[in-house]
Amino acid sequence: DTAVSQTPKYLVTQMGNDKSIKCEQNLGHDTMYWYKQDSKKFLKIMFSYNNKELIINETVPNRFSPKSPDKAHLNLHINSLELGDSAVYFCASSQARGTTNEKLFFGSGTQLSVL
Amino acid sequence: RKEVEQDPGPFNVPEGATVAFNCTYSNSASQSFFWYRQDCRKEPKLLMSVYSSGNEDGRFTAQLNRASQYISLLIRDSKLSDSATYLCVVNPGEAGRRALTFGSGTRLQVQP
Repeated sequence: DTAVSQTPKYLVTQMGNDKSIKCEQNLGHDTMYWYKQDSKKFLKIMFSYNNKELIINETVPNRFSPKSPDKAHLNLHINSLELGDSAVYFCASSQARGTTNEKLFFGSGTQLSVL
Repeated sequence: RKEVEQDPGPFNVPEGATVAFNCTYSNSASQSFFWYRQDCRKEPKLLMSVYSSGNEDGRFTAQLNRASQYISLLIRDSKLSDSATYLCVVNPGEAGRRALTFGSGTRLQVQP
């Protein structure tokens, strides 16, 4: 019944490795997001897809590549992981994008630790 | 200047107290405003929207002052379960070309 689910919950890896985080939503929403929450708890937008189309791409290193095979899934692949990539990554989805009624529903987060 | 600014706290209050948080935003074209709640090691969840005329949901009251570009959240009769981080969230408008923008949060600790 989980509305927005992301896996894995925890990811511990070495610098230089490549890793992926998966996200799926069963809410029927058109728009999905990746947010990053750093150690200071600041939640920052990374990417957004609407119906599989990339619509928001903030200043994020090219090592981060989102992929949306369909509107219910948005995965995040990270190449050549760096220490500074350690953070909690939240997937989210919304309906009514761009309207005053837009509300976000978040997954439970993926704690990424790069050693 | 950050787009959405909040006092990080923590606000330590006894049970039953009334506590208020403020948030300021820099983009005068911002369309809509929200408060989200985030418990420790959990995902943010929508607490309430903030309407121009002010709105109330039980013990929670939200206010918006567009002229001064600030939003407030008032919690009456604080409960232990209110302990969390409260995130001020702004929809910057621009027809969906930008995502909802979060403040860094205000931490509330309600003590017995």
